[in-house]
Amino acid sequence: DTGVSQDPRHKITKRGQNVTFRCDPISEHNRLYWYRQTLGQGPEFLTYFQNEAQLEKSRLLSDRFSAERPKGSFSTLEIQRTEQGDSAMYLCASSSLGELFFGEGSRLTVL
Amino acid sequence: GESVGLHLPTLSVQEGDNSIINCAYSNSASDYFIWYKQESGKGPQFIIDIRSNMDKRQGQRVTVLLNKTVKHLSLQIAATQPGDSAVYFCAENRPLKTSYDKVIFGPGTSLSVIP
Repeated sequence: DTGVSQDPRHKITKRGQNVTFRCDPISEHNRLYWYRQTLGQGPEFLTYFQNEAQLEKSRLLSDRFSAERPKGSFSTLEIQRTEQGDSAMYLCASSSLGELFFGEGSRLTVL
Repeated sequence: GESVGLHLPTLSVQEGDNSIINCAYSNSASDYFIWYKQESGKGPQFIIDIRSNMDKRQGQRVTVLLNKTVKHLSLQIAATQPGDSAVYFCAENRPLKTSYDKVIFGPGTSLSVIP
């Protein structure tokens, strides 16, 4: 499968714990996006990388959130000191120009 | 948060009928628009796109119409099938700086196809 892959697909954690999600984009795509989606809502933009450079961060991305794409290939999204309000689906997408290709998402549940 | 705008949250259509899903956007600088389909438990899947220099684009059973004057986008699905049941999102591409962009999604319309 050469699509966008995300890991883990599901994560249940206790409030206050740190979690990390990984995204492997389509290999020739230089653009990588992270979105958050809650039930009944559209995906909300979190951050965008072009190659290894993080070019845009949403105001939604508090200082507890950090994203990296160290070699311009895979990316990680870390949430520190998780809160119940962080419970959501975290979607990764990649593109070269235009169309975004999404992964299946990582669903986070904070208890 | 940022979002593309107004829509019908749910739409029910009879199998075989045509479906029309509407979307309004707010940013005049948006230059590219995309419709995505999202089935339960899956990530959004590209359906069709249109650039701002066009007003209509057709795909297989789908047509997207763009009216820049009123900032309105629609998705038409011909001969709707049960497999078309999903949530449909319109998205706009907002240029930020040279070669940078941000794709903003609307809240979505849930399409149910009645057999």
